[in-house]
Amino acid sequence: GAVVSQHPSWVICKSGTSVKIECRSLDFQATTMFWYRQFPKQSLMLMATSNEGSKATYEQGVEKDKFLINHASLTLSTLTVTSAHPEDSSFYICSARETDANSPLHFGNGTRLTVT
Amino acid sequence: AQSVSQHNHHVILSEAASLELGCNYSYGGTVNLFWYVQYPGQHLQLLLKYFSGDPLVKGIKGFEAEFIKSKFSFNLRKPSVQWSDTAEYFCAVNAYSSASKIIFGSGTRLSIRP
Repeated sequence: GAVVSQHPSWVICKSGTSVKIECRSLDFQATTMFWYRQFPKQSLMLMATSNEGSKATYEQGVEKDKFLINHASLTLSTLTVTSAHPEDSSFYICSARETDANSPLHFGNGTRLTVT
Repeated sequence: AQSVSQHNHHVILSEAASLELGCNYSYGGTVNLFWYVQYPGQHLQLLLKYFSGDPLVKGIKGFEAEFIKSKFSFNLRKPSVQWSDTAEYFCAVNAYSSASKIIFGSGTRLSIRP
């Protein structure tokens, strides 16, 4: 089946630094990738929709200058948390859909970010 | 805007009991509907999906869901649960007009007593 690889699986960084998270579709092309954030014991909150070759579409309340998204190819999207603060500590999950609009989402394993 | 409601936050059942998890969505147009499962320490996996056709959808591991358009519902069912079904279950909806984004419900934690 379709596989989405997310890296790193966990990262600890200091306040003020930036962290980059990669999301790759390993065996399919994904024109659209999605970035979610999951708070403990809560649902996934859609942060942004990443479209290959164009700017990401951010959900209301998500700071685009803080959460930089780049979708440079059909198999790679990156999320960079800039100037991280402790409140950015969370579980970030990416997902990707194959080019067929009727295909389901495939999820990465997520990245646990801890900002100290 | 589309939204998804899962009214059961935590469900506790004994093994072999029947399961039904509620999911309601708000959107008047055509939708795609999904149920995802997240086992402890693992990533989200697709259980089943509805795009069109037969409103009774069968998924993996004996799960099924029924789309009732008049009730805006897509409840998940399993006739006999197992301890290994302990997980978090998320209902999700994708409205045709929303550029493919999928909105998730708040999730239902299912605990199965052995």
